[in-house]
Amino acid sequence: RKEVEQDPGPFNVPEGATVAFNCTYSNSASQSFFWYRQDCRKEPKLLMSVYSSGNEDGRFTAQLNRASQYISLLIRDSKLSDSATYLCVVSNYNTDKLIFGTGTRLQVFP
Amino acid sequence: EAGVAQSPRYKIIEKRQSVAFWCNPISGHATLYWYQQILGQGPKLLIQFQNNGVVDDSQLPKDRFSAERLKGVDSTLKIQPAKLEDSAVYLCASSRRTDGYTFGSGTRLTVV
Repeated sequence: RKEVEQDPGPFNVPEGATVAFNCTYSNSASQSFFWYRQDCRKEPKLLMSVYSSGNEDGRFTAQLNRASQYISLLIRDSKLSDSATYLCVVSNYNTDKLIFGTGTRLQVFP
Repeated sequence: EAGVAQSPRYKIIEKRQSVAFWCNPISGHATLYWYQQILGQGPKLLIQFQNNGVVDDSQLPKDRFSAERLKGVDSTLKIQPAKLEDSAVYLCASSRRTDGYTFGSGTRLTVV
């Protein structure tokens, strides 16, 4: 079983739509959680950290459910520029090592 | 602040040849990582350095891959000999607890 599992998509949505991505992780010792964004042929970049209480950054909302070992990302009012691959990432604080999911590809169309 | 520098950006080699990649992390970042990203997959950690010591190299194919970080700054990753399945993007990242991770733009390797 992979440590971090995501639906690879692609998710094809129209502009203005709301889209949600889910991710599960297998290591209960994981302590830090992130969503990274990766554009085609570019390096991954941190989109947002995910906290137990949930957190929001503009149109983006991240949620963490430790009991179910589940992370989600919600994007509201999708823009064409949101088209990218979204990588779910977990880390154990002691090692600082990031474990990446396969990524979920999002394509927003006009 | 300068980012993580990697070179070359692209490399095409024949199988069984050797290749080396170079990474210069952000100044002051003690931790340096090499990740391999195969097309359609997420990045996979190959090796993690803390200063010039290896913290984790459990997923490094040591029969053909080697890495070093002399003086705790720059790092090189070498593949010798390369196989077709080594075709991937090799990403270097550096971090400091207070700053988080920063990735370089990667080296795209094609083995033919």
